[in-house]
Amino acid sequence: AQSVTQLGSHVSVSEGALVLLRCNYSSSVPPYLFWYVQYPNQGLQLLLKYTTGATLVKGINGFEAEFKKSETSFHLTKPSAHMSDAAEYFCAGYGGATNKLIFGTGTLLAVQP
Amino acid sequence: GAGVSQTPSNKVTEKGKYVELRCDPISGHTALYWYRQSLGQGPEFLIYFQGTGAADDSGLPNDRFFAVRPEGSVSTLKIQRTERGDSAVYLCASSLAPQGASYNEQFFGPGTRLTVL
Repeated sequence: AQSVTQLGSHVSVSEGALVLLRCNYSSSVPPYLFWYVQYPNQGLQLLLKYTTGATLVKGINGFEAEFKKSETSFHLTKPSAHMSDAAEYFCAGYGGATNKLIFGTGTLLAVQP
Repeated sequence: GAGVSQTPSNKVTEKGKYVELRCDPISGHTALYWYRQSLGQGPEFLIYFQGTGAADDSGLPNDRFFAVRPEGSVSTLKIQRTERGDSAVYLCASSLAPQGASYNEQFFGPGTRLTVL
């Protein structure tokens, strides 16, 4: 079965520190991968996506992710955390011809002052 | 421009009751998706419409769940005989029509939080 796995349901970093949120996908998921952010009581917002081409993808708010086929990973990083980055982050994969997304269970990012 | 809208934003109902959740997609988006997000989980796919027809309803958990999109725009998710386990945030997303193996970005609404007492 297709699956996307996020390691760590809660991550806490200090303001200004590196953010690293981990995502692995099953090899049966086509290599279209996404990171979404969800702020409290808001909908999902696309941070970045990998479809084809360059494996290092840059997104909004200074986030980037690298697609590594050999490791079946698509980890999300940001060099310096900001208080406004506190939110829940979801990794997702594209589930075939109907375009449905398969989501991981999410990682709640806390940023400490 | 207007994004995806969902109404109501919150719905509280009693076990056994019937509920309807509405989604207004972005104008011109022929593809519409419903997802369910339970507490502490990621969104899970329920159903996909291309135009008026349900092209993939493999995610509907049982026959108490049903969705329609009669004119290819607004969609309604209907839940009969609600159970406490149906409590979740129901998300709607829309996109341009899928084209082969390519991907069109899905735009999500804010969700409807359903609470079944």
